[in-house]
Amino acid sequence: QSALTQPRSVSGSPGQSVTISCTGTSSDVGYYNYVSWYQHHPGKAPKLLIYDVIKRPSGVPDRFSGSKSGNTASLSISGLRAEDEADYYCSSYAGSYTYVFGTGTKVTVL
Amino acid sequence: QVQLVQSGAEVKKPGASVKVSCRASGYTFTSYDINWVRQATGQGLEWMGWINPHNDNSGYAQKFQGRVTMTRNTSISTVYMELNSLRSEDTAVYYCARGPNKDYWGQGTLVTVSS
Repeated sequence: QSALTQPRSVSGSPGQSVTISCTGTSSDVGYYNYVSWYQHHPGKAPKLLIYDVIKRPSGVPDRFSGSKSGNTASLSISGLRAEDEADYYCSSYAGSYTYVFGTGTKVTVL
Repeated sequence: QVQLVQSGAEVKKPGASVKVSCRASGYTFTSYDINWVRQATGQGLEWMGWINPHNDNSGYAQKFQGRVTMTRNTSISTVYMELNSLRSEDTAVYYCARGPNKDYWGQGTLVTVSS
């Protein structure tokens, strides 16, 4: 199972919006609506931001939103803040009770 | 509140085995699968497998098949991940995470493989 493809890095100024893509195949992202997104600050545990493509757990700001088109899922962050600077990972169910993570994207707040 | 508390850091020699524990609290232990995810230094997150604490079923990523075993002890709400035949590339932080959405994570356990 190959990792989902994410851009290595994206950046934006405070208040701006950024979007991170997550490209898989018709066997994972494209087939199942079970895409999740995680925020990971180095040295801390990852945090769930989005699940089931578009759903936000309680406590996650609505500045974070998810979507999917075909084999590509996306995470959008609006109103960028300094504390959003972190690594972001997508993950998808890949069938047969297996999961796959994305390659990870470093978000830099300029 | 939901908590997953993992065992402490380990240092192992190549070829050895390591067993990391993850103790759950704050919810019904048998109601959620536990996943194991690792992050090698400078690398991304990698899904290793899952265990269902209710029926002891488990499933592993193909990469780890034959080398990893996930078990549980329901009396102490704890799951274990044992990785055998360790090599330097297994040096990583290992995390447990709850459920298919991985909504709660343990604090991570650093496993260092070095001769």
